[in-house]
Amino acid sequence: GAVVSQHPSRVICKSGTSVKIECRSLDFQATTMFWYRQFPKKSLMLMATSNEGSKATYEQGVEKDKFLINHASLTLSTLTVTSAHPEDSSFYICSAIDSGSRETQYFGPGTRLLVL
Amino acid sequence: KQEVTQIPAALSVPEGENLVLNCSFTDSAIYNLQWFRQDPGKGLTSLLLIQSSQREQTSGRLNASLDKSSGRSTLYIAASQPGDSATYLCAVVDDYKLSFGAGTTVTVRA
Repeated sequence: GAVVSQHPSRVICKSGTSVKIECRSLDFQATTMFWYRQFPKKSLMLMATSNEGSKATYEQGVEKDKFLINHASLTLSTLTVTSAHPEDSSFYICSAIDSGSRETQYFGPGTRLLVL
Repeated sequence: KQEVTQIPAALSVPEGENLVLNCSFTDSAIYNLQWFRQDPGKGLTSLLLIQSSQREQTSGRLNASLDKSSGRSTLYIAASQPGDSATYLCAVVDDYKLSFGAGTTVTVRA
């Protein structure tokens, strides 16, 4: 089956630093990837849609300058949390659509970010 | 804006009992609906996907139904096992975007 990986799985950083999270489709090409954020005991909230070779589309209320998304290849999208603050601590999950089938989103294992 | 609600938020049952998890959504113009499983601190595992034209999907002990007109889906898990303990999320798909419910956390007691 299609596999999506995320790196790192867990990161702790100091307030004010920037953190980059990678999302990779390992055995398929993905022109479209999605970034979600999940708070404890809450549903996943779609942050942005990442399209290969073009600018990401952000959902209402998501700061594009705060959460930088780059989708430079058909297998890699990155989310950079700039000048992180404790309120950015969360579980970030990416998903990818197989460009061939476009039927199902495949989810990564998630990245736990803790900002001190 | 699509809103997805899952009831109950938590459920505890003895092993062997059947589970019924409910999901409701406000906009019936959906492409499909998916049920996922999430273990603590982990990502999502897709369980079942129901196309908007279908009324149900089955996989092993799992059966999911979809009633678009009433905006409801139900996930049935037969003969529950302790390994079924997890959070179950439903998500409504529209134009490749998923709108998630908050999930039902299931505990199956041995």
